[in-house]
Amino acid sequence: AQSVSQHNHHVILSEAASLELGCNYSYGGTVNLFWYVQYPGQHLQLLLKYFSGDPLVKGIKGFEAEFIKSKFSFNLRKPSVQWSDTAEYFCAVNAPMGAGNMLTFGGGTRLMVKP
Amino acid sequence: DTAVSQTPKYLVTQMGNDKSIKCEQNLGHDTMYWYKQDSKKFLKIMFSYNNKELIINETVPNRFSPKSPDKAHLNLHINSLELGDSAVYFCASSQPMGKETQYFGPGTRLLVL
Repeated sequence: AQSVSQHNHHVILSEAASLELGCNYSYGGTVNLFWYVQYPGQHLQLLLKYFSGDPLVKGIKGFEAEFIKSKFSFNLRKPSVQWSDTAEYFCAVNAPMGAGNMLTFGGGTRLMVKP
Repeated sequence: DTAVSQTPKYLVTQMGNDKSIKCEQNLGHDTMYWYKQDSKKFLKIMFSYNNKELIINETVPNRFSPKSPDKAHLNLHINSLELGDSAVYFCASSQPMGKETQYFGPGTRLLVL
């Protein structure tokens, strides 16, 4: 069974600091990878996704992520965070041949950006 | 023009009761899902459904059952509610292919007393 690990459970940054959130998955085959964000009191929204091609993908709000197949990683980055980036961030994986196309989520990383 | 909607937004009930949460999507998607988010924000898939095929996460108790009157709706019925069922339940939808984005509803916060 596939699994997803997010090693940083809580991250606190000051505005303008750079952000990198780790995500590792365990699945030997082809995968589709996603980062979702959940702002306080809101539902999940897609930040970005990777399924093929350029391993560096750009998403909304200045976020990007790099797929490194050899490391089974899909880390999320942002050069300069803003207070409005305070949210919970979830990495997710979907193995294309998996039953039901269900997403497996990591445990989430709570980001707090201090103004 | 809400893409994925859920009702109710909040649900407070007693142990042992039976309750339903409704989900509707207007995106024309073929596949719908239910996820459970516990108090520690951990998200876990419960079901995937696409008209012909229901995939159940094996860890979901059979007190939980999805019911789909049509392609745009996937309701969640819960029988004999337990304290541990307290959580936020999210509905989502997508096209069937794995690379497709799943669109999530606003969530239903269930509290079992």
